[in-house]
Amino acid sequence: DIQMTQSPSSLSASVGDRVTITCRASQSIRSYLNWYHQKPGKAPKLLIFGASNLQSGVPSRFSGSGSGTDFTLTISSLQPEDFATYYCQQTYSNLRTFGPGTKVDIK
Amino acid sequence: QVQLQESGPGLLKPSETLSLTCAVSGYSISSGYFWGWIRQPPGKGLEWIGNIYHRGNTYYNPSLKSRITISVDTSKNQFSLRLSSVTATDTAVYFCAREDTGNYNSLGYWGLGTLVTVSS
Repeated sequence: DIQMTQSPSSLSASVGDRVTITCRASQSIRSYLNWYHQKPGKAPKLLIFGASNLQSGVPSRFSGSGSGTDFTLTISSLQPEDFATYYCQQTYSNLRTFGPGTKVDIK
Repeated sequence: QVQLQESGPGLLKPSETLSLTCAVSGYSISSGYFWGWIRQPPGKGLEWIGNIYHRGNTYYNPSLKSRITISVDTSKNQFSLRLSSVTATDTAVYFCAREDTGNYNSLGYWGLGTLVTVSS
């Protein structure tokens, strides 16, 4: 199985901050890396697919980069609605796996 | 607009079988895509359970493989999850979702989720 790790596991930030979350795969997954965020009591929402492609309707302050084993999600200017938990997911393998999540809360 | 809706019993006893159905509207399952199940124990992260292609090919999480069956009913435009011999560790919110093959198999459409509690 392909294992996914994320860092940090949590972070505190202020509105307007630039936030970066890292995701690492245990083996190369090319660009088959997707990012979601989830608010309490809600289903996850797709932000980025294929490592760097912005899902339709997602604000441009979200961006993704990376390939192979190392990936990054960046929020250029954190907004109040961005406080949530962020998950990466690999879909290179037929056995999909999620990262453990990064909780972004208010400083 | 594609919509997914999970349904099934919310409370089970240990050793029983969990059966959930995901009804799909706005898209015909028989037209393609993989359809998947994901769960989230209370206060924890997301766990991929498995998926099924509209033609019936399935892939399962190895940690659950011996207990899972995912099936599709194209006549009813729905797919289902069966998880046998449940224990308290199977207590979770269960989500169904559609994988977008053209978008790196990302999960672009999700159901709202349904809470399943296993308790004696």
